[in-house]
Amino acid sequence: DAGVIQSPRHEVTEMGQEVTLRCKPISGHDYLFWYRQTMMRGLELLIYFNNNVPIDDSGMPEDRFSAKMPNASFSTLKIQPSEPRDSAVYFCASSFLSRVEAFFGQGTRLTVV
Amino acid sequence: GNSVTQMEGPVTLSEEAFLTINCTYTATGYPSLFWYVQYPGEGLQLLLKATKADDKGSNKGFEATYRKETTSFHLEKGSVQVSDSAVYFCALKSGNEKLTFGTGTRLTIIP
Repeated sequence: DAGVIQSPRHEVTEMGQEVTLRCKPISGHDYLFWYRQTMMRGLELLIYFNNNVPIDDSGMPEDRFSAKMPNASFSTLKIQPSEPRDSAVYFCASSFLSRVEAFFGQGTRLTVV
Repeated sequence: GNSVTQMEGPVTLSEEAFLTINCTYTATGYPSLFWYVQYPGEGLQLLLKATKADDKGSNKGFEATYRKETTSFHLEKGSVQVSDSAVYFCALKSGNEKLTFGTGTRLTIIP
C-alpha cells in the first residue's frame, strides 16, 4: 500500500484566500484524523472521522476551518479565509479499529503570507 | 481525561551514548502506548508500541516497557547514532479512538 497520501506537500497563499488540503487514507482504514503541528502548540488533533462521519471536531480552531469526507478514500480540510496564524504543517492519519496504531501522511506545509 | 507527559527537550547526545526519554501518562481504562518518531521534513512514523502492562515494544534498537505501576513508557536505546536525530512523541490510545500525544522531544546526536 502507498500509505496515507496528502496533497499538496507545500502551499503558499495570501491572507484571505481559500486553501484546500487533501488526504487519501490507506485503503480499508475506517478512521481518519486531521492534525496541525506548530512550534508553539505542538501536535493538535483538529477533527476525526469514523466511516466517513465526523466524530469529534472540537479541535477545529474556528469556523473558518471545515473538513469533509465524502467517501472512504478521500478527505479535505478547508480554510476560508486563511490567515497568517494558520501557517503550520497539517497532517492526515488513518487507522483501522482492530489495529491500534495510526499511520501518518507526509504532511502539507502551509504558509499564509 | 487522558494525558501524556514527556521529557522536555531538546536532548543532545554524542554518538554511541545511552538514551532515555521519559514518558508518563494518565488514562482511564487500559491504554495502548506508542512511541512515534518524526524525521526532519517528514510525517510521524510508528516506532514501537505496547498494548498491555509489562509488554515491551522494540524496534531499530529502541525499547520501551509498559509499566502500569508507575504509569510510564520510557524510551531507551543503548547506543545512539547520528541517524536517530529526530523528534520523538509518546502517545496513548484508551477507550475512544483518538491518539493523545505528548509534546515531543527533539533529539540531536553529535558525531
